[in-house]
Amino acid sequence: DQQVKQNSPSLSVQEGRISILNCDYTNSMFDYFLWYKKYPAEGPTFLISISSIKDKNEDGRFTVFLNKSAKHLSLHIVPSQPGDSAVYFCAARNTNAGKSTFGDGTTLTVKP
Amino acid sequence: DAMVIQNPRYQVTQFGKPVTLSCSQTLNHNVMYWYQQKSSQAPKLLFHYYDKDFNNEADTPDNFQSRRPNTSFCFLDIRSPGLGDAAMYLCATSRDTLNEQYFGPGTRLTVT
Repeated sequence: DQQVKQNSPSLSVQEGRISILNCDYTNSMFDYFLWYKKYPAEGPTFLISISSIKDKNEDGRFTVFLNKSAKHLSLHIVPSQPGDSAVYFCAARNTNAGKSTFGDGTTLTVKP
Repeated sequence: DAMVIQNPRYQVTQFGKPVTLSCSQTLNHNVMYWYQQKSSQAPKLLFHYYDKDFNNEADTPDNFQSRRPNTSFCFLDIRSPGLGDAAMYLCATSRDTLNEQYFGPGTRLTVT
């Protein structure tokens, strides 16, 4: 039973446009959410996070939105750049349990 | 300026032959994690250390063991590798379990 789902294995967007990556979760105990980016031959790197007490967190071109009632979060990248091409993992955590549960990842391709 | 280092990057072992993967960190973080990631799947947490305290995931096979002799190093031992253990193994660290994780580049294990 996968508790964190990224239903789109891949996404392709044009440079300068918005990229929207989606993530759904099933465990209502999750209270903290993170996005990681992974380039080939490298480990994932932390990108942005959001606590369940917020519905939006913004950091430069990256914004994460959280809809708790729908158990859904999304990562918006605007404007998208070719260097953003990578695999994006959504992760969710129950603070009491400590560990993070990851989704399968979405491969983003930004075309010049 | 590598912060989480994994050696080797590629490891080939024979079916049933014990193998050890290593991870070191220069971040002085309290927590070290080992994940198994198979192709196009989510990283799956095997276990983690908080300082010297070992925390095993309930579904981690007994075939997988870990050692953390000091703050900087953590090892993953696979006692009798099977073909199904071929995967990417990711090491990660965090200051504590509530902080974002820093990943190494991974070790790709092949079992022949």
